[in-house]
Amino acid sequence: QQQVKQSPQSLIVQKGGISIINCAYENTAFDYFPWYQQFPGKGPALLIAIRPDVSEKKEGRFTISFNKSAKQFSLHIMDSQPGDSATYFCAAIGGGADGLTFGKGTHLIIQP
Amino acid sequence: NAGVMQNPRHLVRRRGQEARLRCSPMKGHSHVYWYRQLPEEGLKFMVYLQKENIIDESGMPKERFSAEFPKEGPSILRIQQVVRGDSAAYFCASSPLGQGEQFFGPGTRLTVL
Repeated sequence: QQQVKQSPQSLIVQKGGISIINCAYENTAFDYFPWYQQFPGKGPALLIAIRPDVSEKKEGRFTISFNKSAKQFSLHIMDSQPGDSATYFCAAIGGGADGLTFGKGTHLIIQP
Repeated sequence: NAGVMQNPRHLVRRRGQEARLRCSPMKGHSHVYWYRQLPEEGLKFMVYLQKENIIDESGMPKERFSAEFPKEGPSILRIQQVVRGDSAAYFCASSPLGQGEQFFGPGTRLTVL
């Protein structure tokens, strides 16, 4: 069964700190790995994504690190701000699958 | 450039009634996906459609659920004879090419009494 395992389930970080969320996948056919940010009552918003031909991608304060051999990828939020408080989901797709396979999410709280 | 639109945003139905959820993709997008999100859970893929075609419905429950994306108008997810277990947030996403990048709408929150 295709799975994406996400950790931690919840995370509290001080303002200005680095938030790190990790995901691991099983299906080596996955070839696209996005991260989504979701605020309460809203839909998931695409934050940043990576393909396995690169090991890192950075957009502003958000960075994805990708380890193909370990089948793991992570989201780093630098200089975390209270406005970053949300639920973050990792996802993966590929190998003929049409739908994204999501992790269970991480509730991130940035304390002022 | 309007994003993915879904309506209604909230829907309340009694057990046994029908629920119809609508989704208009982003302009220029012809690929539509439906997902279901249960409380404190990630999103689960249900169905993938292109205009007038169901491409992949591997995540759809076998009974009571159906989806369509007609030539004209929005995509519709239809749930017949709803039960309390159908209570969830239903999200639609659209994609320009059907590969990878998917943009989500605000969702429809279905409550079954």
